[in-house]
Amino acid sequence: DIQMTQSPSTLSASVGDRVTITCRASQSIDSWLAWYQQKPGKAPKLLIHKASSLKSGVPSRFSGSGSGTEFTLTISSLQPDDFATYYCQQYNFYSETFGQGTKVEIK
Amino acid sequence: EVLLVESGGGLIQPGGSLRLSCAVSGFSVSNNYMSWVRQAPGKGLEGVSVIYSGGTTQYTDSVKGRFTISRDNSKNTLYLQMNSLRAEDTAVYYCATSPTQGSWGQGTLVTVSS
Repeated sequence: DIQMTQSPSTLSASVGDRVTITCRASQSIDSWLAWYQQKPGKAPKLLIHKASSLKSGVPSRFSGSGSGTEFTLTISSLQPDDFATYYCQQYNFYSETFGQGTKVEIK
Repeated sequence: EVLLVESGGGLIQPGGSLRLSCAVSGFSVSNNYMSWVRQAPGKGLEGVSVIYSGGTTQYTDSVKGRFTISRDNSKNTLYLQMNSLRAEDTAVYYCATSPTQGSWGQGTLVTVSS
C-alpha cells in the first residue's frame, strides 16, 4: 500500500502568514493527489485535485504543487477561516490513502 | 448541486452487521468513482472502500472480507455492507464522489460496543 506522510503534524501561524504543508508518498503517484480542509464536526472539503488544480470556488490563496512523491499545499496569506486540519490524499493504483493530517492553529 | 446523504449508522454489538446507504442527487453513481471514508473519534481520515467506474472494487486491508461496497443505479444509491463489526470500526462514515468531483456527505456515526 502507498503510505502518505504529512508534515508538520501541527502548525502555529498568524493571520497573514504564508503557510506550507508537505506531503510525501512512499512511491510515485504522478499527480494523483488531492488536498482537503476539515473543520471540527464537518465533512472534509476538497481544495485541490490533480496536485495543483484548484476546485471551483476555492480562494486563490490556496495552491498546490508537486508530482511523483513530494507535494506541497501553500496558503499565501492565512485568513481566520483557514484555521482547520488539512489532509492530503493519493488516488493512484486502484487505491486511496490519506496523510495523517496537519492542524493549523492560531499562534 | 451534488448532494450525498448517508444513513444506516447506529449502535451495534461486536460481531454484528450494518448496511450504510448513501443517497445521491445531482450526480450519477453508475459508472463513476464513489468511495467510503471513515474517521474514528479524534483521529484522521481513512479510506475504507472504493468502487470504480467499471465496477472494480478496492478495500483497505482491515475490512477485507468483512465489508462490501455496492451501488444501485436505479436508486442512485451507494451502499456499504459491514459484517463482523469490531470495536475498531467505530467511526463516522462518509460517502464521497471522486477526488476530482469532490463532494462528501455529512457522515453517519457507527458505534460498535457491547
